[in-house]
Amino acid sequence: DAGVIQSPRHEVTEMGQEVTLRCKPISGHNSLFWYRQTMMRGLELLIYFNNNVPIDDSGMPEDRFSAKMPNASFSTLKIQPSEPRDSAVYFCASSLGTGGYNSPLHFGNGTRLTVT
Amino acid sequence: GEDVEQSLFLSVREGDSSVINCTYTDSSSTYLYWYKQEPGAGLQLLTYIFSNMDMKQDQRLTVLLNKKDKHLSLRIADTQTGDSAIYFCAEIRTGGYNKLIFGAGTRLAVHP
Repeated sequence: DAGVIQSPRHEVTEMGQEVTLRCKPISGHNSLFWYRQTMMRGLELLIYFNNNVPIDDSGMPEDRFSAKMPNASFSTLKIQPSEPRDSAVYFCASSLGTGGYNSPLHFGNGTRLTVT
Repeated sequence: GEDVEQSLFLSVREGDSSVINCTYTDSSSTYLYWYKQEPGAGLQLLTYIFSNMDMKQDQRLTVLLNKKDKHLSLRIADTQTGDSAIYFCAEIRTGGYNKLIFGAGTRLAVHP
């Protein structure tokens, strides 16, 4: 089991550019989450997919952010246009449920995004 | 309030016990969790406790739950340098779907 795979590991881009973060969840998991981690706000849930369908996107900051899950093995988080305040570590997590004791979240190693 | 609250930093000497505290909000939470984040990595589930339990022990880890005060704590006995990490408290919040709500995390620094 390779775990949740995120790419790229690091991304440095200029303000105004489009950024695409990628995630491959653990095979067989039906729930996928995108989180953002910053010193100021801690860990924020951006969006939750179940069976490839977005269930809760209330945490998506604004229209510049979009997420897709075209199939069970791939998801993307896109920021267009990017701004310096988007700088953070973005985590993808997957699970068999929504995080109960028998279905804990499995996190990827994150993508550190720096927008200059 | 609506937040799961934790102190942000804790520094302990190697070999001492560490106690990380958390206050949660949803009295109907059936499970409460501790996740650990090591440097440069994502979070991993460390341990959990059912809401009908007061205490759970797992090797060097002891979880205490005070439902009346909605207070959760994680005690690490004989703290080692490898325990240096960020520890997140989390609760399951019901409503629509079972949503996992994380605290801001407590950064544990272990020094010789």
